[in-house]
Amino acid sequence: AQSVAQPEDQVNVAEGNPLTVKCTYSVSGNPYLFWYVQYPNRGLQFLLKYITGDNLVKGSYGFEAEFNKSQTSFHLKKPSALVSDSALYFCAVRGGSSASKIIFGSGTRLSIRP
Amino acid sequence: GAVVSQHPSWVICKSGTSVKIECRSLDFQATTMFWYRQFPKQSLMLMATSNEGSKATYEQGVEKDKFLINHASLTLSTLTVTSAHPEDSSFYICSASPGGGEAFFGQGTRLTVV
Repeated sequence: AQSVAQPEDQVNVAEGNPLTVKCTYSVSGNPYLFWYVQYPNRGLQFLLKYITGDNLVKGSYGFEAEFNKSQTSFHLKKPSALVSDSALYFCAVRGGSSASKIIFGSGTRLSIRP
Repeated sequence: GAVVSQHPSWVICKSGTSVKIECRSLDFQATTMFWYRQFPKQSLMLMATSNEGSKATYEQGVEKDKFLINHASLTLSTLTVTSAHPEDSSFYICSASPGGGEAFFGQGTRLTVV
């Protein structure tokens, strides 16, 4: 069975500092990994994905994530945080098939202080 | 990126009535769509996988007679909440995949049952 864990409910970072939001996963076969962001009372916005290829994936709004197969992790990072990055972030995993279901982590609330 | 349209974005209904939510892939065909439910300040819980031309696959604990799913075409899936009650009030989100692993999400539907 596939699963994804986000160990931190909340991450607090000062504006201008680097940020990391952690994600680990468990899936059979090669994973498809995603990060999404959600603002209050809104749907999900796609940030980035890892399907295959380069382990370092660059996405929207300056975010990037590194796929680490040995540690089964896909942590989200940004070199310099903005106050506008404050939102709820979800990591998601899908088994290596376009028909397999997408499972979400519990979410991490990112708070950037000015 | 691909666009998934979900309608309505919000709905208020009386207890005992049924509500239909539509999910459309606007610029791609999706043989598989997914329906999620999100409670306040919680993650997305997968309810069911909607397969075009066949019966939906429901997750454990989700009442199939309560949440009717129809995937009549490659661009449209509907979720009908039958005989809605206040405890069905929630944020419902659909997603669709054009293949290749990536999934796109609708903007969500806020259902309030009074």
